[in-house]
Amino acid sequence: SQQGEEDPQALSIQEGENATMNCSYKTSINNLQWYRQNSGRGLVHLILIRSNEREKHSGRLRVTLDTSKKSSSLLITASRAADTASYFCATDSNTGNQFYFGTGTSLTVIP
Amino acid sequence: DGGITQSPKYLFRKEGQNVTLSCEQNLNHDAMYWYRQDPGQGLRLIYYSQIVNDFQKGDIAEGYSVSREKKESFPLTVTSAQKNPTAFYLCASSTLRGRRNEQFFGPGTRLTVL
Repeated sequence: SQQGEEDPQALSIQEGENATMNCSYKTSINNLQWYRQNSGRGLVHLILIRSNEREKHSGRLRVTLDTSKKSSSLLITASRAADTASYFCATDSNTGNQFYFGTGTSLTVIP
Repeated sequence: DGGITQSPKYLFRKEGQNVTLSCEQNLNHDAMYWYRQDPGQGLRLIYYSQIVNDFQKGDIAEGYSVSREKKESFPLTVTSAQKNPTAFYLCASSTLRGRRNEQFFGPGTRLTVL
């Protein structure tokens, strides 16, 4: 399976702290994406990083990509209670037509 | 409003019955996808379609069927052959133009087999 894995499976932090979650994958990719899912809802796209990029920022989000290690990290700075959700990484197939989602990190931000 | 919708939100089915989940998008996206999500798990691809009247199996297509008669619609039928159909089903769409291929997701349908 090409499915990636997020680490840790669950993370609990205090509001205002930073949250870091990691994603490892198995095959070469064109790009890697991070999504957020609130409980019982659909996924929402957060950020996309291409295989030739090493770091990308969007607001309080910072994503890094290390293709030599086949890994990515998502950093959420100055976390808020509203950031409580599950976060998934997704990689595309060689053709770019399919996406493979990781198992997710469940983040809880305590007010 | 542009978006992707799924109906119904909750669905109950008796064993042995087929059931069809609806997915509609007005984003003019070429590609549409169906995923299954089990508790505490990631998403697994069931079927996807890149063009009308064409679709491909994903990793877990057995016991499911789809059709793509219109660009806007990609219904999923869960057949009685699916051994463990209770799950959360998510539909998504994406454009195939350019280099941006993020997926837009519907709100999901939770299917429970009684």
